[in-house]
Amino acid sequence: EAQVTQNPRYLITVTGKKLTVTCSQNMNHEYMSWYRQDPGLGLRQIYYSMNVEVTDKGDVPEGYKVSRKEKRNFPLILESPSPNQTSLYFCASSRDRGNTEAFFGQGTRLTVV
Amino acid sequence: AQSVTQLGSHVSVSEGALVLLRCNYSSSVPPYLFWYVQYPNQGLQLLLKYTTGATLVKGINGFEAEFKKSETSFHLTKPSAHMSDAAEYFCAVSVYGGATNKLIFGTGTLLAVQP
Repeated sequence: EAQVTQNPRYLITVTGKKLTVTCSQNMNHEYMSWYRQDPGLGLRQIYYSMNVEVTDKGDVPEGYKVSRKEKRNFPLILESPSPNQTSLYFCASSRDRGNTEAFFGQGTRLTVV
Repeated sequence: AQSVTQLGSHVSVSEGALVLLRCNYSSSVPPYLFWYVQYPNQGLQLLLKYTTGATLVKGINGFEAEFKKSETSFHLTKPSAHMSDAAEYFCAVSVYGGATNKLIFGTGTLLAVQP
């Protein structure tokens, strides 16, 4: 089954404690992105990747890091989480740019206290 | 800059009634437009998309949307609401080119279906 898998689904952590949210896709997609979803703001892109070792900032990259060492994996790293990073995070992948469908993971609800 | 506006953060309809969710876009180039649905505790799922060609686009679960360039709109409709349609709906426009590749989402419309 074609899917994007994120882990964990839920995470509560304390300010400053480094964490990683994993994302893996099994569709051999070139393009992967991270979005955060906040009430009243919709989804906003954090980072994206167009291929292995090729990543770039999205609209809200501050406080986040990513890496793309393998085509299937695209982890999101919060080196020093802060309460304003409490949000619902989605990983997405697509075969191409522009008019192609993006496939989304189930989401990771992160709470930073 | 490209953007999407969804009018109405909450819409409530009765089961069997028409569903109309509004989306207006702003784009300097012919847009690629999408409607995604998010069921509780799930990721986003594509309902339908407009690329080029036919302006009336049919999607899954009986939904359709009409691209109207003159009105810069891409409203989502369904003739008869079902309880299972209760979810949050997002309109999005694709922005790509150079080093950019992203979806710009509207703020979402939460659809409630009353029995």
